[in-house]
Amino acid sequence: DTEVTQTPKHLVMGMTNKKSLKCEQHMGHRAMYWYKQKAKKPPELMFVYSYEKLSINESVPSRFSPECPNSSLLNLHLHALQPEDSALYLCASSQAGTTGWADTQYFGPGTRLTVL
Amino acid sequence: GQQLNQSPQSMFIQEGEDVSMNCTSSSIFNTWLWYKQDPGEGPVLLIALYKAGELTSNGRLTAQFGITRKDSFLNISASIPSDVGIYFCAGQSTGTASKLTFGTGTRLQVTL
Repeated sequence: DTEVTQTPKHLVMGMTNKKSLKCEQHMGHRAMYWYKQKAKKPPELMFVYSYEKLSINESVPSRFSPECPNSSLLNLHLHALQPEDSALYLCASSQAGTTGWADTQYFGPGTRLTVL
Repeated sequence: GQQLNQSPQSMFIQEGEDVSMNCTSSSIFNTWLWYKQDPGEGPVLLIALYKAGELTSNGRLTAQFGITRKDSFLNISASIPSDVGIYFCAGQSTGTASKLTFGTGTRLQVTL
């Protein structure tokens, strides 16, 4: 089973709201990722967690705050977003084996975020 | 960020035709991946390639990892309406939990 689940599927929020996106996987993967995707563009990497530690932050604004409570869960906390942050937010996970091994990423269905 | 050159950008084909798309890079990758994305959904992995020169099939799909490690192609044989979507290639350097570099995407539309 290569399933990554994300909730909610759709989210509409105002610029003063605080909300969270959630991602879950039960494949025993130890790396989890957040991507942002604008219409007709490829996904852009935001954050990577490896063994529950933040390993890559692609210079994402602080209004996006990731959290990895355990190896199966990944959250993205949102606060004071701007309308240009409206996008599809994708979560992915991978096995994260020994360095040098291929580490294929599997994506969730995404959360469609609209910031008013 | 860096994106891979993927072509064609879009294509209309008739049902039953074969399709070919490719990706090129100025950098070497150790893994090439091909994903398909339907509107409003996440990318779904179609084929993963792990060795230079490797040719891999998945049903009507065939993909190859270029010998130079700087390119890959994906072929779809006998296209059907459900093949409609956006196809992305992605390159990955060696390393665990590492970044994917995506191609610009090929939008495929199939006419009956």
